[in-house]
Amino acid sequence: GENVEQHPSTLSVQEGDSAVIKCTYSDSASNYFPWYKQELGKRPQLIIDIRSNVGEKKDQRIAVTLNKTAKHFSLHITETQPEDSAVYFCAVGGSGYSTLTFGKGTMLLVSP
Amino acid sequence: SAVISQKPSRDICQRGTSLTIQCQVDSQVTMMFWYRQQPGQSLTLIATANQGSEATYESGFVIDKFPISRPNLTFSTLTVSNMSPEDSSIYLCSVSGGTSNTDTQYFGPGTRLTVL
Repeated sequence: GENVEQHPSTLSVQEGDSAVIKCTYSDSASNYFPWYKQELGKRPQLIIDIRSNVGEKKDQRIAVTLNKTAKHFSLHITETQPEDSAVYFCAVGGSGYSTLTFGKGTMLLVSP
Repeated sequence: SAVISQKPSRDICQRGTSLTIQCQVDSQVTMMFWYRQQPGQSLTLIATANQGSEATYESGFVIDKFPISRPNLTFSTLTVSNMSPEDSSIYLCSVSGGTSNTDTQYFGPGTRLTVL
């Protein structure tokens, strides 16, 4: 089955800095790559996703890049704010209504 | 996106008992999934709830321990049977295939289960 590795497990940055979280996957047939943000005690919330026919996608301060050849994708957060502090999970899925395999998560702490 | 609710939001149960968790969506969806999230851990898929047929379970999860129902396109239940303290976890349902998108999964608020 699919194997998803996520790094780093924790990330501390100063407000205004950029943060980058990376994930690698094993199944070359995978083609859907969402990112979820989970605040303490809350449900995971989709923040951005990308499909294999696109190399990069951006939404305001958040961007995701995908390298299908190397089988890795990254989440980029620019101009970080304290409210960005949360656990971020990458996930990998196939086509159609497939299941998702999640990475182990990255705890992001943004200090004022 | 669809509005997803779960009942109960939390419960404390005695070992050996069973708890049924409900997941309700305000619109029809194609897919419903059940996940477990142990404290400080990632999300692990338990099963896909199939409407009109038996659920599809992931490796390590069995129907006798986690029976699932999905009687229609807006509702599903997960039962945690013969509970032990190791079952203490957050249980989340997710849905996809509603009117807004195909495979994007949206999560319910979760059910926090503590087994004593």
